[in-house]
Amino acid sequence: EPEVTQTPSHQVTQMGQEVILRCVPISNHLYFYWYRQILGQKVEFLVSFYNNEISEKSEIFDDQFSVERPDGSNFTLKIRSTKLEDSAMYFCAGGRPNTEAFFGQGTRLTVV
Amino acid sequence: AQSVTQPDIHITVSEGASLELRCNYSYGATPYLFWYVQSPGQGLQLLLKYFSGDTLVQGIKGFEAEFKRSQSSFNLRKPSVHWSDAAEYFCAVAPGRSTDKLIFGTGTRLQVFP
Repeated sequence: EPEVTQTPSHQVTQMGQEVILRCVPISNHLYFYWYRQILGQKVEFLVSFYNNEISEKSEIFDDQFSVERPDGSNFTLKIRSTKLEDSAMYFCAGGRPNTEAFFGQGTRLTVV
Repeated sequence: AQSVTQPDIHITVSEGASLELRCNYSYGATPYLFWYVQSPGQGLQLLLKYFSGDTLVQGIKGFEAEFKRSQSSFNLRKPSVHWSDAAEYFCAVAPGRSTDKLIFGTGTRLQVFP
């Protein structure tokens, strides 16, 4: 059964450094998403991506965040200058019209 | 404001007991409704979904949920809980289309005692 794959599973980075979180969605998905979950809190929407552009973003998704799907398979989330409060589990998801979103296992980002 | 409410933060049940997890939403129209489960350190697994039609939906692992439009609720149920059901359960809604962003509730942590 196809699945959404995220790498790495855990990343530790120093404050101020750039990180790139990677996701390989299911091949026939058209819509892509990033969500995050700060420890002990609920899952929050960051951004949705369709037809090679951002379709919606939340207030959390400020200028330090960016997404791209450079080669038609990988879907990446870049955090340009990480802050302590960016520490969270980041989930990638994908979907098609009239189906549910399929989530990856997540990348745990720890900013020290 | 649009919102999803899971009133129970933490529920403890004995193995074999029945379970109901509550979820209420606040939207103008009926959204698409989902229940996801998250085991410790794991990702989000879809248990079941409601898009339209029969208001009682069956999911994986013996779970079911009932959509009640009059109560704006989508409660999750299981007749007999297993120890492996211990996890965090999230109700989520997609406000307009199935491909809309998901709005998650705060989650309900389920503990199961033998």
